[in-house]
Amino acid sequence: KAGVTQTPRYLIKTRGQQVTLSCSPISGHRSVSWYQQTPGQGLQFLFEYFSETQRNKGNFPGRFSGRQFSNSRSEMNVSTLELGDSALYLCASSLAPFWDYGYTFGSGTRLTVV
Amino acid sequence: SQQGEEDPQALSIQEGENATMNCSYKTSINNLQWYRQNSGRGLVHLILIRSNEREKHSGRLRVTLDTSKKSSSLLITASRAADTASYFCATVGGYQKVTFGTGTKLQVIP
Repeated sequence: KAGVTQTPRYLIKTRGQQVTLSCSPISGHRSVSWYQQTPGQGLQFLFEYFSETQRNKGNFPGRFSGRQFSNSRSEMNVSTLELGDSALYLCASSLAPFWDYGYTFGSGTRLTVV
Repeated sequence: SQQGEEDPQALSIQEGENATMNCSYKTSINNLQWYRQNSGRGLVHLILIRSNEREKHSGRLRVTLDTSKKSSSLLITASRAADTASYFCATVGGYQKVTFGTGTKLQVIP
C-alpha cells in the first residue's frame, strides 16, 4: 500500500512569503502529525490532527498553522517566512494517536528560505 | 526542549560488531519507540516498547526499558553497512505530547 506522501519535496521561498505543505497519510490512518527538523534543534513537534481536530500543538508561533480534511489529508501553512524556518518538515501518520501505534513518516519537504 | 537524550551522540563501529545506544527521558511514559533515519529522509519506525515491558526483540534489534531509571537502550547485533543512519527514541510524556530525542548517529564501516 502507498506510504505517506508529502508534496512538494523541495521548496525555496523568500523571506516574508507564505508556504503551504501537503501530506497524504496512509489509507485508513486518521492521525497526522507534523515535525520540524533542523540540525540545531533536532525534531520539534508542531501539531497533531485526528479526525479533523487538532489534538495537540507544540511550542511554535502562530505563523505555523495546519488543518486536516475529511479524507485525513493534512496541510501545514507557514506565513511571513523567516530565515530560521528553513528546515526539513516531516509528516507522520498513524492509525490512532501516537501512544498506541508507531508513526509512518513521509520523506519530508525540504524548505529553504532565502 | 527535548525530553529524550540519546547517548552517545555518534558511534562508529566495524561491520559485524554490535552497536548499543541509550536514551534517557524525564517524565513518565506510556510507551517508548525507536526510529531510524537515513540522511535527509523520513524516519522509519523500528520498535515500540510499552511501559510495562522490560525487553523486546525484533530481528537483530533488542530494546530494553528501565522505567525506574527512565532509560532505554537499543542494541543492534551483527551490524551491517546498511545500518548506518541516525537513531532516535521517542516518548509520549505530559499532555500526550510526543518528544523525540537528540539522536545517535551510527556509522558502520564495511
